[in-house]
Amino acid sequence: KQEVTQIPAALSVPEGENLVLNCSFTDSAIYNLQWFRQDPGKGLTSLLLIQSSQREQTSGRLNASLDKSSGRSTLYIAASQPGDSATYLCAGDTGGGNKLTFGTGTQLKVEL
Amino acid sequence: GAVVSQHPSWVICKSGTSVKIECRSLDFQATTMFWYRQFPKQSLMLMATSNEGSKATYEQGVEKDKFLINHASLTLSTLTVTSAHPEDSSFYICSASSASGSHQETQYFGPGTRLLVL
Repeated sequence: KQEVTQIPAALSVPEGENLVLNCSFTDSAIYNLQWFRQDPGKGLTSLLLIQSSQREQTSGRLNASLDKSSGRSTLYIAASQPGDSATYLCAGDTGGGNKLTFGTGTQLKVEL
Repeated sequence: GAVVSQHPSWVICKSGTSVKIECRSLDFQATTMFWYRQFPKQSLMLMATSNEGSKATYEQGVEKDKFLINHASLTLSTLTVTSAHPEDSSFYICSASSASGSHQETQYFGPGTRLLVL
């Protein structure tokens, strides 16, 4: 059974710091991978999608990479802002059919 | 961008009653819809996958007779929690995709429905 672990589980940083969130899959066969943001009590906002033929994606201050050989992905957030405070979830389609397995999440707090 | 809505956003019900949650794709045709459940401080767990016009496929451990899913049109899927009990209290989130089982398509997520069973 595929399991997805995110490290760290929680992170508190001062505004302006660059930070890296990690995601690892027990089964490295990954078709695609997405990073999401979830605000408390809310649904999911898709941040980045790395499709099967890609290795990384960038959007603004966010960069996500995927190493299929190791089953690991990282989300890099540059110049963090208080508005970035949220829970970040990675999710991978590891069996085809577009069924996502979600990670355990990283709760990020960016302080003034 | 693609928008998915859910209704209601929250519901409180008595134990033993049934609750229906709607998931709608507002500006695209959703060939496939997914239903997830999220317990407090936990991640999302896929409950079932539904394709328009066919029966839903349930994940292991999810009771199909308790969680009834109907995907009668390309823009609407419903999840009915039958005979709800307090342990069914959770955050239910749907997602929609315009592809039929393709792993290349993004899933667009609804805002979620919070269910509290007393």
